[in-house]
Amino acid sequence: GAGVSQSPSNKVTEKGKDVELRCDPISGHTALYWYRQSLGQGLEFLIYFQGNSAPDKSGLPSDRFSAERTGGSVSTLTIQRTQQEDSAVYLCASSLQALADYNEQFFGPGTRLTVL
Amino acid sequence: DQQVKQNSPSLSVQEGRISILNCDYTNSMFDYFLWYKKYPAEGPTFLISISSIKDKNEDGRFTVFLNKSAKHLSLHIVPSQPGDSAVYFCAAGRFGAGGTSYGKLTFGQGTILTVHP
Repeated sequence: GAGVSQSPSNKVTEKGKDVELRCDPISGHTALYWYRQSLGQGLEFLIYFQGNSAPDKSGLPSDRFSAERTGGSVSTLTIQRTQQEDSAVYLCASSLQALADYNEQFFGPGTRLTVL
Repeated sequence: DQQVKQNSPSLSVQEGRISILNCDYTNSMFDYFLWYKKYPAEGPTFLISISSIKDKNEDGRFTVFLNKSAKHLSLHIVPSQPGDSAVYFCAAGRFGAGGTSYGKLTFGQGTILTVHP
């Protein structure tokens, strides 16, 4: 079946503009995650959705970052007033809600955001 | 505060030999660990996992070892193949209440593995 998809694959924007990044998880996966990978760094957790609610937003770096999920499916990560330090690859992942088991996450290809 | 660290940015190995990728962590509350593999322009893909109650898990050419007292895990690939060339990330997670997966993974910085023919 189809994997996790993300759009756009690349986004170049000017400092101060708002951007929206989209994630389509695997059908039936109730959990959805956003991470980002800055140059030379590991993946940094941003936010986690279970259904449409976000039990863990602890990784959002500032109030310029927000995310929502609708219908238990598509999620949008919004960055307002982008700054150059927001430049990174933004990765989305989804997983089944596992009970008493580890949480295998399936990743999308990412959106490469460049803020000029 | 880097809770999961991969101190070797890169590793170069000859085809057929063993590749050993290392990972250290500081948080003793982690319940499970995973290794992900990432090719350029693609998202990471799951490779192998290990529960914190085990010290070894094997899947084909891939074996993960966990040393809880040292807070160290390693991934062994034997024999290494050129197609194994990729970035390898270790990640750690915790269970929440009721044994369900907490969801959030903490990743290391990654190690670039190059396997030469």
